[in-house]
Amino acid sequence: GAVVSQHPSRVICKSGTSVKIECRSLDFQATTMFWYRQFPKQSLMLMATSNEGSKATYEQGVEKDKFLINHASLTLSTLTVTSAHPEDSSFYICSAPPAGGADTQYFGPGTRLTVL
Amino acid sequence: AQSVTQLGSHVSVSEGALVLLRCNYSSSVPPYLFWYVQYPNQGLQLLLKYTSAATLVKGINGFEAEFKKSETSFHLTKPSAHMSDAAEYFCAVSDQVKLSFGAGTTVTVRA
Repeated sequence: GAVVSQHPSRVICKSGTSVKIECRSLDFQATTMFWYRQFPKQSLMLMATSNEGSKATYEQGVEKDKFLINHASLTLSTLTVTSAHPEDSSFYICSAPPAGGADTQYFGPGTRLTVL
Repeated sequence: AQSVTQLGSHVSVSEGALVLLRCNYSSSVPPYLFWYVQYPNQGLQLLLKYTSAATLVKGINGFEAEFKKSETSFHLTKPSAHMSDAAEYFCAVSDQVKLSFGAGTTVTVRA
C-alpha cells in the first residue's frame, strides 16, 4: 500500500517557539494532503487541506496565521506551528489520497508535539 | 454535510468472542465509509472501506463490515477476537473530498 511519512515523530519545544512538521508521500504523488489534530482520548479533527501550488484551505476555527501550511511539491507538505503554546500540545497527523484515488486516504504515523 | 456516530466509546470482549463495533452515518451524498484502527502513538491504518460496490466488505485481520442504507449503518465485526485487536477504532465517512471521523471506540480484549 501507499506510504506516508512524518518527521519528526516527536518534538518538545519551549513556549513561544515555532515548530515545523513534514509530511511526505513516499511512493505516490499527492496534489492534496490533509492535516489533522488529535487530543488525548479524542477523535481526529481536520485542521486544513493542503493544496500543491496554492493556498491551504482551513477549517472553521483554525487560525491560518498560527498553523502555516506549505505544499511545495507533489510529495511534501509542511505544517508550521508558530509561537507555540502549551495548548497546542497534541498529536498531529497528516494524510494523503493518491492522485486519482480520492476514495482512500493514507495516514502518516503522526507527530507528538509537547510545548513546555 | 456528513457525520458519523459511533455507539459505545469502550467495548470489552473476551479473547475468542465476537467483536461488534457500531457506526451510523449521515450524508447528503452517497457515502464512502471507512473503518480505521489506531494503536497507541501511531497513525491510522485502514481496515476496510465501502465505496458503493458490494455491501458486505471484508478487510484485513479478519474484520468485515456491512453497509445497510435503510439503517444508515456500517457496523464492524470480527468473529473471534485476538489480544492483538486491542486498539482504538474509528469509523469515518467521506464525501469523496474530506473525511469526517466518529469519536472512536476503544477495544480491550480479556484473556
